[in-house]
Amino acid sequence: EPEVTQTPSHQVTQMGQEVILRCVPISNHLYFYWYRQILGQKVEFLVSFYNNEISEKSEIFDDQFSVERPDGSNFTLKIRSTKLEDSAMYFCASSGWVDNSPLHFGNGTRLTVT
Amino acid sequence: AQSVAQPEDQVNVAEGNPLTVKCTYSVSGNPYLFWYVQYPNRGLQFLLKYITGDNLVKGSYGFEAEFNKSQTSFHLKKPSALVSDSALYFCAVRDFNDYKLSFGAGTTVTVRA
Repeated sequence: EPEVTQTPSHQVTQMGQEVILRCVPISNHLYFYWYRQILGQKVEFLVSFYNNEISEKSEIFDDQFSVERPDGSNFTLKIRSTKLEDSAMYFCASSGWVDNSPLHFGNGTRLTVT
Repeated sequence: AQSVAQPEDQVNVAEGNPLTVKCTYSVSGNPYLFWYVQYPNRGLQFLLKYITGDNLVKGSYGFEAEFNKSQTSFHLKKPSALVSDSALYFCAVRDFNDYKLSFGAGTTVTVRA
């Protein structure tokens, strides 16, 4: 069964550094998402992406965050200047048609900001 | 606005007993409802969904869920729990004309042998 793959599985970075989290969604999917889960807390929506543009974003997704689909297969989340509170598990997801298809999630990237 | 409530942080059952994980939701339009399961250090795995039609939906691993519009609930059930069902379960809702999925806080299920 096709999967969403995320790399790296674990990223450690220093406060203030830029990080790029990478995702390869399922190949025929059209909608792409980033969610995050701070340890022990709920899964929070960050951003959705369709037709090469952001379709919706949450309050968390401020100017420090950006997303890109540079080559038609990868879907990246960039955090420009990381803060301690950005430490979390970041999940990429993709889905086919919005109405009926569930989101398929990757295994996540654990980001640790020191 | 859409939201999900999972009133129980933890559910503990003995193997072979029925398992219920509760979920209530709030949306402005028609809801699309989902259950996901998360095992340690893994992503969220889709279990089942309700879009329209029969209120009782069946999903993976013997799980089912019942949509109750009047009570705005979508409880997850399994008639006979297994130790391997021990995991974190998330209920999620999406309004039919929205892109994003909103998750509940999660319920940790522990099935003891």
